[in-house]
Amino acid sequence: AQKVTQAQTEISVVEKEDVTLDCVYETRDTTYYLFWYKQPPSGELVFLIRRNSFDEQNEISGRYSWNFQKSTSSFNFTITASQVVDSAVYFCALGGSEKLVFGKGMKLTVNP
Amino acid sequence: DAGITQSPRHKVTETGTPVTLRCHQTENHRYMYWYRQDPGHGLRLIHYSYGVKDTDKGEVSDGYSVSRSKTEDFLLTLESATSSQTSVYFCAIRPDLNYGYTFGSGTRLTVV
Repeated sequence: AQKVTQAQTEISVVEKEDVTLDCVYETRDTTYYLFWYKQPPSGELVFLIRRNSFDEQNEISGRYSWNFQKSTSSFNFTITASQVVDSAVYFCALGGSEKLVFGKGMKLTVNP
Repeated sequence: DAGITQSPRHKVTETGTPVTLRCHQTENHRYMYWYRQDPGHGLRLIHYSYGVKDTDKGEVSDGYSVSRSKTEDFLLTLESATSSQTSVYFCAIRPDLNYGYTFGSGTRLTVV
């Protein structure tokens, strides 16, 4: 069975701090995809990134970076120099079959 | 424009009444999904569709039915609404298994 664990349920930081959101997954598939979604206070779910299982290169997009490590089954997300606008619930998800499996989400609060 | 719309955006209904939520897409994507989001439970899959007239159950399908008579529309029906079905409902679309979801804006349903 596939499973995604986001062990942190809530984190609070002060603006400009770096913060890492952890995601650990379980799957027996050799080909799969990993995703991160953001849900700001307005409620919509916004796609952030997709990574396939054959590509372990880290990715950086502005202040966002993702570290994919198959050896530890982790796909962690780091926000550098956090801003108040980063306050949201972040979901990690695992795909490869017809349904994505989501973690329970991690609420990030960035205080000014 | 993400090409996916949910209607209504908000609804209040009485216990015991049937309710239908609509998800409409203009992307011609094959896969469509209905999720509910509740505090402490994250996103839970209700039903999904992998083609016209092809649907399957998710983890919380009891009390819900779906229909997909054409590619662009996926309807979720609460046969007899109960207070436990008060939730935010998200529809999602996906072109194929190599991609993640694009979510609709959500429907906030309150059953009184």
